[in-house]
Amino acid sequence: KAGVTQTPRYLIKTRGQQVTLSCSPISGHRSVSWYQQTPGQGLQFLFEYFSETQRNKGNFPGRFSGRQFSNSRSEMNVSTLELGDSALYLCASSLGGTGATDTQYFGPGTRLTVL
Amino acid sequence: AQTVTQSQPEMSVQEAETVTLSCTYDTSESDYYLFWYKQPPSRQMILVIRQEAYKQQNATENRFSVNFQKAAKSFSLKISDSQLGDAAMYFCAFLYSGGGADGLTFGKGTHLIIQP
Repeated sequence: KAGVTQTPRYLIKTRGQQVTLSCSPISGHRSVSWYQQTPGQGLQFLFEYFSETQRNKGNFPGRFSGRQFSNSRSEMNVSTLELGDSALYLCASSLGGTGATDTQYFGPGTRLTVL
Repeated sequence: AQTVTQSQPEMSVQEAETVTLSCTYDTSESDYYLFWYKQPPSRQMILVIRQEAYKQQNATENRFSVNFQKAAKSFSLKISDSQLGDAAMYFCAFLYSGGGADGLTFGKGTHLIIQP
């Protein structure tokens, strides 16, 4: 099975712009979670989508949003970029399911640099 | 909310030797999962091992094993016969089994260096 894929792998944006990151889960996985990794804050949970619905959300401002499509692919959007948004954004997929907890498998990440 | 603490920012071990990475966590929940992930320089997060809190038996995966002490809230990772390819950042992570409201909660990581 192909693993989790993320595009693009690298992005450079300027402050105030917006950006969209994409994640394709492992075939058959219905849950997609997003994480932000920075040297200062470490790995932080952004949100989780399951069956096209946001099921869980971390403590991030409303500038961070996402969506999931019927094929389970997910996108994450960050509007009005700030310098502090520079980070590695990781996507993880799992089988998901109501009340289920499954092992999350990660993609290679998207490195976002905000200038 | 739960917290995960990895008290060793960096560890070094000779190739072929055994090393243990420490992890403690704090939670009021009784049902949860614990994981060790490895992140090599490529930045790809790779699952190493998983432990269900309701299982008393410690998980093992080839050269990797854990020492899970639920009462002490401790979850250490032992790597036997260390190989150069084991060099990476290792993250301990917690996941509440009741729905993952906070997603995975990660520790700050331990940088493992393998000396040839």
